[in-house]
Amino acid sequence: EAGVTQFPSHSVIEKGQTVTLRCDPISGHDNLYWYRRVMGKEIKFLLHFVKESKQDESGMPNNRFLAERTGGTYSTLKVQPAELEDSGVYFCASRDLGQDTDTQYFGPGTRLTVL
Amino acid sequence: RKEVEQDPGPFNVPEGATVAFNCTYSNSASQSFFWYRQDCRKEPKLLMSVYSSGNEDGRFTAQLNRASQYISLLIRDSKLSDSATYLCVVNLNQGGKLIFGQGTELSVKP
Repeated sequence: EAGVTQFPSHSVIEKGQTVTLRCDPISGHDNLYWYRRVMGKEIKFLLHFVKESKQDESGMPNNRFLAERTGGTYSTLKVQPAELEDSGVYFCASRDLGQDTDTQYFGPGTRLTVL
Repeated sequence: RKEVEQDPGPFNVPEGATVAFNCTYSNSASQSFFWYRQDCRKEPKLLMSVYSSGNEDGRFTAQLNRASQYISLLIRDSKLSDSATYLCVVNLNQGGKLIFGQGTELSVKP
């Protein structure tokens, strides 16, 4: 079974540009989460989808970040316009709705550098 | 105060050593507890869940003290392949967001 995949693996953009990150969860997983780790800090939650609905978006830093999950399959996270402090590693994770544990499976991450 | 605090690293130990990681969490309502392992430039991977009764998986033993809001991970007979960053993680409600500690780096030397 394929794991969580993310695209691109790396992105280097200039301040003010737009970047869209994509996450494909494990097939059949209704729960999808976005996290990020900025330099020197712990991994922090951004938001949580259940199917196509936003369950919790309390971690979204500001309105420059827009997450979507149309159709309840893959998700995109758009940053527009990007700022220097947005640099970091963005992880996606998924979890099966019917699972009786809390295990979240993480993707390899997208390393974003804003110059 | 951080929601999850871990020992500052790095820990440098010889092969075969026993090493212990400690972690405290601030929210007494936390429900689930985990140790994740993260290799350099890789994603976090679940090492083990932590239960109130304590649990063991081979060379790894995890313990939870709810009264003290304290979690520990013990690694016995360290292997070179144990070198990684160990992340203490809590969850306030099942299925919800994970709250991570900053991680403790372990380096096992020959």
